Amino acid sequence: QQPVQSPQAVILREGEDAVINCSSSKALYSVHWYRQKHGEAPVFLMILLKGGEQKGHEKISASFNEKKQQSSLYLTASQLSYSGTYFCGTASVGSGNTPLVFGKGTRLSVIA
Amino acid sequence: GAGVSQSPSNKVTEKGKDVELRCDPISGHTALYWYRQSLGQGLEFLIYFQGNSAPDKSGLPSDRFSAERTGGSVSTLTIQRTQQEDSAVYLCASSLQANYGYTFGSGTRLTVV
Repeated sequence: QQPVQSPQAVILREGEDAVINCSSSKALYSVHWYRQKHGEAPVFLMILLKGGEQKGHEKISASFNEKKQQSSLYLTASQLSYSGTYFCGTASVGSGNTPLVFGKGTRLSVIA
Repeated sequence: GAGVSQSPSNKVTEKGKDVELRCDPISGHTALYWYRQSLGQGLEFLIYFQGNSAPDKSGLPSDRFSAERTGGSVSTLTIQRTQQEDSAVYLCASSLQANYGYTFGSGTRLTVV
């Protein structure tokens, strides 16, 4: 089942912070986060495994709340280069090695 | 190779013709995935390979779509009797193993006219 991302779109000024959420109705084993710039391929940011460990990548970090089946991506002190569409991809518990199911994406625009 | 390579990058075809899309994954990556992305939309799963076998082909939209992978490396996605609704960007990704991060190719933009 497709995870639900929110918000669908957000506009930030440089230096502002944002949070993107990804929720599933299924028990999750892992959550992946990707960023896709216009006309380019999605790029892997990070993976969070069942266990609630928070990951970090530059000024972008994420958490995974397995009780709520939810992951949040935190972008702090946003830069122009952060603009793009962010996708979460989820793998459910008990699904074995099935491929990720991706959300519809959150379009982030950072303006000067 | 250094990344996932897809060819052609663009393909325009007439309705009813067959097309073949190629994906060359990162060397050593055992898992290979095909997704489809329509304009402004998310990533729609098509098929997954582990080695040369396809344990999950549940996302193929119809029997006009087929895919194979040979030598645990290159994969080909074939669409027969193309329809206008097949127009999309077809993305291939590979990962070292299942449940590892995916590396995507730049995609093939298919336009059916």
